[in-house]
Parts: sequence; C-alpha cells; structure tokens
Amino acid sequence: SQKIEQNSEALNIQEGKTATLTCNYTNYSPAYLQWYRQDPGRGPVFLLLIRENEKEKRKERLKVTFDTTLKQSLFHITASQPADSATYLCALDEDAGNMLTFGGGTRLMVKP
Amino acid sequence: DTGVSQNPRHKITKRGQNVTFRCDPISEHNRLYWYRQTLGQGPEFLTYFQNEAQLEKSRLLSDRFSAERPKGSFSTLEIQRTEQGDSAMYLCASSLESGSSPLHFGNGTRLTVT
Repeated sequence: SQKIEQNSEALNIQEGKTATLTCNYTNYSPAYLQWYRQDPGRGPVFLLLIRENEKEKRKERLKVTFDTTLKQSLFHITASQPADSATYLCALDEDAGNMLTFGGGTRLMVKP
Repeated sequence: DTGVSQNPRHKITKRGQNVTFRCDPISEHNRLYWYRQTLGQGPEFLTYFQNEAQLEKSRLLSDRFSAERPKGSFSTLEIQRTEQGDSAMYLCASSLESGSSPLHFGNGTRLTVT
C-alpha cells in the first residue's frame, strides 16, 4: 500500500540549532515533492518544491533534499527561531497534476 | 492578491442537516482544490477543478459530498445528511495550471456535527 511517513512525535530543539525533519514514502513515484508549514487553525503555507531530478533546493534558512533511491526527503531549518515552531507537512505529486498527497506532518517546537 | 477566502470559518450543525461551504480562490488561479483535514492528520485530497470543469471527483468521500464551480471562479462544497464523522476542517486551495505549482490554501471551514 502507499504510505507517506513523517515523524508523528514532536521535534523539540533549542533556538539556533538546525532542525531536520524526515519524509519517507512507499509505493509512490513522485515527480515533485513539496513542503508546507501549518500553524494551528490556519491553512498550510507553501515553503519549497523539489523535482525528482533535483537533489537539493535551498531558500534562505531552508534546505530540502530529495533521494528517490531511498524514497526520502529531508527538510532542514538552520539557525532555528521560536517563530519556526509549527507543523511541517510534506506532499507528493506523482504526475505534476497537483493532486497532492500529504503526510501527517511533524510538529516542530523551537525553545528560546 | 487577497489570498484564498473561505466562508464560513466555523459551522456547527446537527446530524442529518445539509451544509454548504464557499471558497473564493486567488483571481488569476484557474485550478481549485478541496481537501479535508482531521486532527493530527495531513490534508486529504477530495476533488479539484480546472476552470469550471471538475477533473477529479473519485476521491470525494461518499455520494453525500458534491462540489461545484459554476463560472470558474468561486466554488462550493456541499455535504448532505451530515454525520458526526464529517466533523473536520475543510480546506480550499488554488493554483496556477502549470506543472506542479504551489497550492495557496485558505484558512478552512471547521465543521462540527453534533
């Protein structure tokens, strides 16, 4: 069966450290992978998109890697801040049709 | 760009009643999506439109769920004969057509069925 797995346990880190979140998938062949941030009571907000032929993408303090052999994406936030505390969702797009399939999300807590 | 707007923000209804939610997408976006999200889970895809055409509706949860986008602008999602299991956040998103464009989500309608 198809699965997208993100760590359901909250990730607690100290301000200034690098947060690394994992997205593993099974029985998908995504053409694209996207990461979103979601705050309580709000809709998800797009952060980064990476294509299947890209290994890494960066945007300011954010970095995403995509390993189609391992079937895994890693999402890094460097120099983390309390304002980065949120739930982070990965989403797969198999055919570039934008019918995204989301993982369950990982809650990040950055402590001052 | 005023973002994606959803109304109402909250809806409480009794089991068996019909409810309708509205979504106003970003004006230049021709794709519109509906997702459902329950507590602690990621959004679950329901259906999507390209302009006024509903291109995928097989993932609507049951025949009690229907969606329309009559003029290719705003969309409505209707749930008939609501059940307690329908309680969730209903999210709307819009995007440009090209490739895998980022989705722009609204802040959802939270439905509580009592």
